[in-house]
Amino acid sequence: QSALTQPRSVSGSPGQSVTISCTGTSSDVGGYNYVSWYQQHPGKAPKLMIYDVSKRPSGVPDRFSGSKSGNTASLTISGLQAEDEADYYCCSYAAYAGIDCWVFGGGTKLTVL
Amino acid sequence: QVQLVQSGAEAKKPGASVKVSCKASGYTFTSYALHWVRQAPGQRLEWMGWIHAGNGNTKYSQKFQGRVTITRDKSASVAYMEVSSLTSEDTAVYYCARDNLNYACDYWGQGTLVTVSS
Repeated sequence: QSALTQPRSVSGSPGQSVTISCTGTSSDVGGYNYVSWYQQHPGKAPKLMIYDVSKRPSGVPDRFSGSKSGNTASLTISGLQAEDEADYYCCSYAAYAGIDCWVFGGGTKLTVL
Repeated sequence: QVQLVQSGAEAKKPGASVKVSCKASGYTFTSYALHWVRQAPGQRLEWMGWIHAGNGNTKYSQKFQGRVTITRDKSASVAYMEVSSLTSEDTAVYYCARDNLNYACDYWGQGTLVTVSS
């Protein structure tokens, strides 16, 4: 149950778009459409931003979008705003050797320049 | 509104156990599952386990199998997560989070800091 692979950091200027990748295997990201993304500000609990690969919970701006291709999922944030600066984690439902579980990525720090 | 309220911070000695509670309100407790996730200082989120509040079925990360026990009290709408044989590496903030029926965590507790130190 290794962590999913995310870039350690990404950055962008206000108004620009950034994409955060999340790479797993056919036993997790590639095998199920249960990828979710979380935003976490320092000292705060995570907040659900995307679920089922590309669905947005009520209240999440449509600047946030998700997609998946093969074993890699992606979170794209368009029209960057200062308040988007945070850590972002992907998560996937997984089944390894018939044992189901959930696995998070290593996290990506987004800096808004 | 949906709320998950966790018990307060704990300080434990190595080898001890800790039990964290998560009180749910604002929804039908038995219709959803609850996840437990931890985050060591400066580290990533780590999934520990899951309990379906209705039937009590549990799933655990292989990393914590045998050392973590997740239970619930339906009458009180409370879930519990107990970790035994604590070491300094268990120092972390522990979160409970509701599963939104689509294998994602839509509501989170405020977190409980567990510090393990001699």
